[in-house]
Amino acid sequence: NAGVTQTPKFRVLKTGQSMTLLCAQDMNHEYMYWYRQDPGMGLRLIHYSVGEGTTAKGEVPDGYNVSRLKKQNFLLGLESAAPSQTSVYFCASSYYDQPHEQYFGPGTRLTVT
Amino acid sequence: AQSVTQPDIHITVSEGASLELRCNYSYGATPYLFWYVQSPGQGLQLLLKYFSGDTLVQGIKGFEAEFKRSQSSFNLRKPSVHWSDAAEYFCAVGAVMVGARRGNKLVFGAGTILRVKS
Repeated sequence: NAGVTQTPKFRVLKTGQSMTLLCAQDMNHEYMYWYRQDPGMGLRLIHYSVGEGTTAKGEVPDGYNVSRLKKQNFLLGLESAAPSQTSVYFCASSYYDQPHEQYFGPGTRLTVT
Repeated sequence: AQSVTQPDIHITVSEGASLELRCNYSYGATPYLFWYVQSPGQGLQLLLKYFSGDTLVQGIKGFEAEFKRSQSSFNLRKPSVHWSDAAEYFCAVGAVMVGARRGNKLVFGAGTILRVKS
């Protein structure tokens, strides 16, 4: 039981490049989330999903897109990376009946130059 | 709007000393409260949670936290700190998002970095 996994662990992008971060969970959780972590700001919710095929915006969605084609996977895309998107990105998942008890992945450290 | 305040950015304690990390929240309803720990380069690990009932909750690694509704606080404590407790600690409140795609989120404080002196 791997829990929540994220790939890649590290990535460096140039401004304007695109990339996709993959989150996978093997706990059969309905809900999945993408957060970004910046120094002194804690974690902020980017997008979330309450089930396969559904996505919604969180607090800081601009510049990101997401997709949830399979229940176990939640993808975060950056179409045109900007230096302001340099951050550590965390994926999390939870059961629908305990949505606040979220399990986190190890994170992806992204640097945009 | 929901918010969480952790007043201390850094705290340094000696190994074996007691620890208290402060957390204040703002939430209109009965809150779901959490403490997470993040070791350098790692993800977040849940230390403990409060949903209802006994206001003193026990967690892993010898940590406990007390919910005080009158003070809107959920402070984390440990009677004797170990060097391995050095990490960043986050307090969070669970909040419901209302809208076309109803869901739930965690609202995090900015974190407190704990340093342990030997």
